[in-house]
This record gives sequence, structure tokens and C-alpha cells, in this order.
Amino acid sequence: DVKVTQSSRYLVKRTGEKVFLECVQDMDHENMFWYRQDPGLGLRLIYFSYDVKMKEKGDIPEGYSVSREKKERFSLILESASTNQTSMYLCASSLAEVGYGYTFGSGTRLTVV
Amino acid sequence: QKEVEQDPGPLSVPEGAIVSLNCTYSNSAFQYFMWYRQYSRKGPELLMYTYSSGNKEDGRFTAQVDKSSKYISLFIRDSQPSDSATYLCAMGMDSNYQLIWGAGTKLIIKP
Repeated sequence: DVKVTQSSRYLVKRTGEKVFLECVQDMDHENMFWYRQDPGLGLRLIYFSYDVKMKEKGDIPEGYSVSREKKERFSLILESASTNQTSMYLCASSLAEVGYGYTFGSGTRLTVV
Repeated sequence: QKEVEQDPGPLSVPEGAIVSLNCTYSNSAFQYFMWYRQYSRKGPELLMYTYSSGNKEDGRFTAQVDKSSKYISLFIRDSQPSDSATYLCAMGMDSNYQLIWGAGTKLIIKP
């Protein structure tokens, strides 16, 4: 069974902390994505990567960075966490062709206090 | 105007009813149309997939695409309480690996 694994289900961090969210996929997918999901706002794309060491900004990249050193791993970094970054973070992966759809992880619920 | 519009609901129906969920879109280049189901505190999972126009049926679920009207639908027959979830539509096109998402409709099936 194909899987996207996010390292934490729930996280609580303090304002100003540097936060790392990890995502690993075992499907040899080329593309990986980070979204945040907030009530009433739906899924918003933060960053995506279509190859190792490649990254592209999504719709809301401010305050975030990413790293993809290996094909199977895509990390989201909150450089200095703020309370408005409290959200559900979802990682997804896909083959190069969009027609196959995405496989999502179970999500990380991040609370910044 | 968003590229993909979806009523966020919630939509509450009694068990056994036929449910109709819909999305409209503005980009005529979309060719891939998908429905994802998301249970509370889980990630979305692919439920139905359609390429171009037409219908697709899988058990109690039917997906329809009307490209002339830029309108897609998901029908659920004999709805069950276990169908209670948020349903997101997503669309994509060739030569672009990004899906464009609707906001999701929260569905509640009352026993």
C-alpha cells in the first residue's frame, strides 16, 4: 500500500521557534507538495517540488521554506513560527503527470502559542 | 473569481438519501477531474477520477463532467453515516503537475 508519512500528527510550538515538518513517501513519486488547510479557506499551496533539490513557490510561501535533498523526503520549515501559522499542514506526492492525482499524508496539526 | 468554486456547506441529509455535490470551474483547459474524500483529522483520499467529459460509476458513487457548462458533480446513492466527510473537487490539465482545488463541501448524513 502506497504511503505518505508525516512525522508528527500534533505539534505545539512557541512563537519564534524554528519548526521542521517532515514528509516521506515510498512511491518513487517525482512531485511533492506542502499545503495548509484552514476552515473556510480550503487547501492552500505553500511550496512544491518536481525533482530533487528543485522547489517552486506556491500561493502562500511567506514565512516558510522547504528542502528536498532526497527524492522521498520533503521538509517544510517555519523559520520563526507565528500564531497565524497555526493550521493543519498536509503533505502530498504525485507522479509527474497530474492525471494520476495526489496521495496525501494524514496531516500535522500545528499549534503555535 | 476563483478558478474552481465549491459550496462549503454543510450539507445535511438523512440516511438513504441521494446526495449531489457540485463544482464549477472557469478554465476550459482542465481535462482531469477528481473527487477526494476527507474524514475529520485525516488527509484527503482519492475517491473518483474522470478524464474529459462523461460519467463514471463506482458502487454507490457516480461522477459526472459537463465540459460545455464547466460543471462537475458527484452523486452518492443510498447515503450512509460513514459517508459523512468533506468532499473536495480537484482539476488539472496536461503539461501541468498542479491540481486546482475546490474549497470542499462538508457532508453530514444523519442516521
